[in-house]
Amino acid sequence: DVKVTQSSRYLVKRTGEKVFLECVQDMDHENMFWYRQDPGLGLRLIYFSYDVKMKEKGDIPEGYSVSREKKERFSLILESASTNQTSMYLCASSLLGGSTDTQYFGPGTRLTVL
Amino acid sequence: AQSVTQLGSHVSVSEGALVLLRCNYSSSVPPYLFWYVQYPNQGLQLLLKYTSAATLVKGINGFEAEFKKSETSFHLTKPSAHMRDAAEYFCAVTTDTGRRALTFGSGTRLQVQP
Repeated sequence: DVKVTQSSRYLVKRTGEKVFLECVQDMDHENMFWYRQDPGLGLRLIYFSYDVKMKEKGDIPEGYSVSREKKERFSLILESASTNQTSMYLCASSLLGGSTDTQYFGPGTRLTVL
Repeated sequence: AQSVTQLGSHVSVSEGALVLLRCNYSSSVPPYLFWYVQYPNQGLQLLLKYTSAATLVKGINGFEAEFKKSETSFHLTKPSAHMRDAAEYFCAVTTDTGRRALTFGSGTRLQVQP
């Protein structure tokens, strides 16, 4: 089974802090994604990566950056956390770049910014 | 650009009743359509996907969905609801052109009454 793990299930940070959310997949997938999930808005794509050191902006990249130094690891960085970044963050991976590929999701990190 | 609309943010059914969750899409090119399910405190997992083969798609746990191009719909159904079906369900769309990442709907929370 594909396993996507996220470093924390719950995280509480203060405004202005730099926050790192880590995601690791164990199935040699090429593609990795970061989504934000908010009630009534569904999932919105923040960033994605098709290869190591490659990244592309999604629909809501403002205030976020990403890093993919190794194929299995994709990090989401909040350079200076703000209260409007309080949300559930979901990481996903897929095998190749095909449009019909299944995405496999981690359990999510619920981030609260005070 | 493509989009998805899920009608009804909350749906409540009795155990044993028909489940119908609605999804309409908008796309200028042929779409690929997905239904994902999120059980409480878990990440998303794929229920089923339409990839331009058969228009009636069968998925896991007894769910199925029918792609209707004339109605731009991909509604999810299950003949008989079970308590374990209580979850949030997300419809998503992608295409072969442009960004090959999923665009999600806002989600429908299914409640199953005993």
